[in-house]
Amino acid sequence: DTAVSQTPKYLVTQMGNDKSIKCEQNLGHDTMYWYKQDSKKFLKIMFSYNNKELIINETVPNRFSPKSPDKAHLNLHINSLELGDSAVYFCASSQDPGVRGGGGYTFGSGTRLTVV
Amino acid sequence: GENVEQHPSTLSVQEGDSAVIKCTYSDSASNYFPWYKQELGKGPQLIIDIRSNVGEKKDQRIAVTLNKTAKHFSLHITETQPEDSAVYFCAAMTGGSYIPTFGRGTSLIVHP
Repeated sequence: DTAVSQTPKYLVTQMGNDKSIKCEQNLGHDTMYWYKQDSKKFLKIMFSYNNKELIINETVPNRFSPKSPDKAHLNLHINSLELGDSAVYFCASSQDPGVRGGGGYTFGSGTRLTVV
Repeated sequence: GENVEQHPSTLSVQEGDSAVIKCTYSDSASNYFPWYKQELGKGPQLIIDIRSNVGEKKDQRIAVTLNKTAKHFSLHITETQPEDSAVYFCAAMTGGSYIPTFGRGTSLIVHP
């Protein structure tokens, strides 16, 4: 059973296109995240949702729009793709940090986005 | 804000040797320190964590130590195996925070 699953695993697209990445978790976690990992492996937070509500929105171009239809799903839509958007995008989920044992993340396997 | 420094950036060892990765943090309010292992083509996986009320934690061949006074924590891997080869990330979180501050990662290479 995949705990955090994201699709697609690979995405190659042309500049200017619009694309979406989907994420689902079956862990019952209340909080979900999108991270961007660059070529140097640095993990940068983009967004976080808690129970479908946006709680973290880092400095990300407004071409990126997250959507959470329910607490088990967090999708990422990207408009007008640019070359600099090429990276690996990770979805993750966690229990609330205030919950005993909470704080640690479960990551998905990543979506490698290549903009040409 | 919190700042996490991780060293070394690359670590090469022979199979069977021990490996140590060190991290320092700046915010004395940080109280949760997870470590993640990222294998090639996969997402980071939580392998061990430690909270500030504990000085050391072990899980088979891996252990983490925490020195709150000096604000540093370390990952120790004993009897390394080729399958330990991966990028390891340390992180620090303050109580109630959803977002950890990650180190920049250590690429561990274990030579057979």
